Amino acid sequence: AQSVTQPDIHITVSEGASLELRCNYSYGATPYLFWYVQSPGQGLQLLLKYFSGDTLVQGIKGFEAEFKRSQSSFNLRKPSVHWSDAAEYFCAVGSNDYKLSFGAGTTVTVRA
Amino acid sequence: DTAVSQTPKYLVTQMGNDKSIKCEQNLGHDTMYWYKQDSKKFLKIMFSYNNKELIINETVPNRFSPKSPDKAHLNLHINSLELGDSAVYFCASSPLLAGGPMNEQFFGPGTRLTVL
Repeated sequence: AQSVTQPDIHITVSEGASLELRCNYSYGATPYLFWYVQSPGQGLQLLLKYFSGDTLVQGIKGFEAEFKRSQSSFNLRKPSVHWSDAAEYFCAVGSNDYKLSFGAGTTVTVRA
Repeated sequence: DTAVSQTPKYLVTQMGNDKSIKCEQNLGHDTMYWYKQDSKKFLKIMFSYNNKELIINETVPNRFSPKSPDKAHLNLHINSLELGDSAVYFCASSPLLAGGPMNEQFFGPGTRLTVL
């Protein structure tokens, strides 16, 4: 069965600074990888996804992620965070049996 | 023009009651899901339907029963509610991906269930 680990429970970053959120997955086949963002009291919004092809994927809101098969990682990055980026971020891996397994999430706090 | 909608948004009820949460998507997707998000924000799949057929049924108490009257709707009925059922329940939908079963999922706003 697939699983996802997000090692950082909480990250605090200054506005304008860069952000990197770590994600490691475990899955025997080629993974379908996703990053979602959840703002307080809201549902989840897809930031980006990786199925195949170029290992550096661009998403919405200036986010990008890089798939590294050798490290089983799919880290999310943003060069310069905005106060509105404060939210909960979830990495997820999808499998061939339709299941999407989520990591425990990383809470991002942005300080002025 | 909400893509995935859920009703109600908040639900407060007593232990032992039976309640339902409704979900509708207007995206024309074939697959719909129910997730439970606990107090630690951990998201776990509960059920999935593809064209009204149950395809995922995780280990959840049989007090939880999904019902899909058509592919645009997936409702969740919960019998004999318990304190531990308090959580946020998210509905999601996804289109079929050509050549594979997995595609991005679109989530509803969630239903916060509180059992007293």
